[in-house]
Amino acid sequence: LAKTTQPISMDSYEGQEVNITCSHNNIATNDYITWYQQFPSQGPRFIIQGYKTKVTNEVASLFIPADRKSSTLSLPRVSLSDTAVYYCLVGEDDKIIFGKGTRLHILP
Amino acid sequence: DTGVSQDPRHKITKRGQNVTFRCDPISEHNRLYWYRQTLGQGPEFLTYFQNEAQLEKSRLLSDRFSAERPKGSFSTLEIQRTEQGDSAMYLCASSLEDRRYTFGSGTRLTVV
Repeated sequence: LAKTTQPISMDSYEGQEVNITCSHNNIATNDYITWYQQFPSQGPRFIIQGYKTKVTNEVASLFIPADRKSSTLSLPRVSLSDTAVYYCLVGEDDKIIFGKGTRLHILP
Repeated sequence: DTGVSQDPRHKITKRGQNVTFRCDPISEHNRLYWYRQTLGQGPEFLTYFQNEAQLEKSRLLSDRFSAERPKGSFSTLEIQRTEQGDSAMYLCASSLEDRRYTFGSGTRLTVV
């Protein structure tokens, strides 16, 4: 499984765009990149998944450069309710392995 | 279908007792996963099923842990002779054959 590295924590303000970058230097050809969000006392929630270039849904955008060695989750105009832990996951195995994630704290 | 359901939400037990948790996945999902999460850590994989077959077990899963998924529907996770180190949130997830898991809200176990 490809190892991922992401910041331990980030702070931002309401209304700002937040970008969380994940490094995955040894990503394999068949690996997809998936992001999950977790609020306290809840299970993780799927946000977005991509393979290359850009993916956008109603929640976020995922930018993946051509070499796929990193990816950036972009959250537009965050609110206080976006305070959560965000996990970057890479792989194609039947199970997903979580790291420690990035604790995003949105300030008023 | 309202998602993945886990029961109970909270469980307090005395050390040495046995506990059993239940997970009801999304009905059309053929894969079911169990994870354990402690404070400040990401979820740790324990085991997963495809239909009724248990396909993989983590080395974290000692002999005191057993999971079943009869008939490929709901699943149970049993912990025998609980220890204080078993205190954690136990999360269940289900999916089709992709990496888009739907997690339940978890069962928080406290061993006293």
